[in-house]
Amino acid sequence: LAKTTQPISMDSYEGQEVNITCSHNNIATNDYITWYQQFPSQGPRFIIQGYKTKVTNEVASLFIPADRKSSTLSLPRVSLSDTAVYYCLVGVHTDKLIFGTGTRLQVFP
Amino acid sequence: DTGVSQDPRHKITKRGQNVTFRCDPISEHNRLYWYRQTLGQGPEFLTYFQNEAQLEKSRLLSDRFSAERPKGSFSTLEIQRTEQGDSAMYLCASSLGRDNYNEQFFGPGTRLTVL
Repeated sequence: LAKTTQPISMDSYEGQEVNITCSHNNIATNDYITWYQQFPSQGPRFIIQGYKTKVTNEVASLFIPADRKSSTLSLPRVSLSDTAVYYCLVGVHTDKLIFGTGTRLQVFP
Repeated sequence: DTGVSQDPRHKITKRGQNVTFRCDPISEHNRLYWYRQTLGQGPEFLTYFQNEAQLEKSRLLSDRFSAERPKGSFSTLEIQRTEQGDSAMYLCASSLGRDNYNEQFFGPGTRLTVL
């Protein structure tokens, strides 16, 4: 299973764009890249998933370079409610999820 | 609210007691997963079901743990002879399990405290 490396924590201010980069050097051909968000005392929530290039939805964008060895989750104009832990996961998308320790994002007013 | 419910939300028990948790997935989802999460860590996979069949169990799932999904709907996770190390948040998730998409929807979790 591909292992992921992401920053332990990040700080930002309201209204700023936040980019969280995840490294996954051993990603396999069949692996997808998925990001989940988790608030305290809640289960994780799916944010976005991609295989290559760029994916955008109403919440975030996911940038994946051609070699797929890393990916960047971009959160536009964050608010206080975006304070959470963000997990980068790599694997076959029908399989169990393998979480790391995630990136703890703190948004300040 | 994701549509996945778990009961109870909190459980305090004494070491050596048995506990059982219930998960009700989104009704049309055929895959159901159990995870365990301790403070400061990401969730760890325990086991999953495709309909009523238990397809995979983690090494974390010792003999004291058993999970069932008798009719392919709700699932139960039982821990026998609880230990203090079992204290954690137990999360349930469900998904459609389609080949090209597998967003997992998580419940709110059951927080277990073993005294």
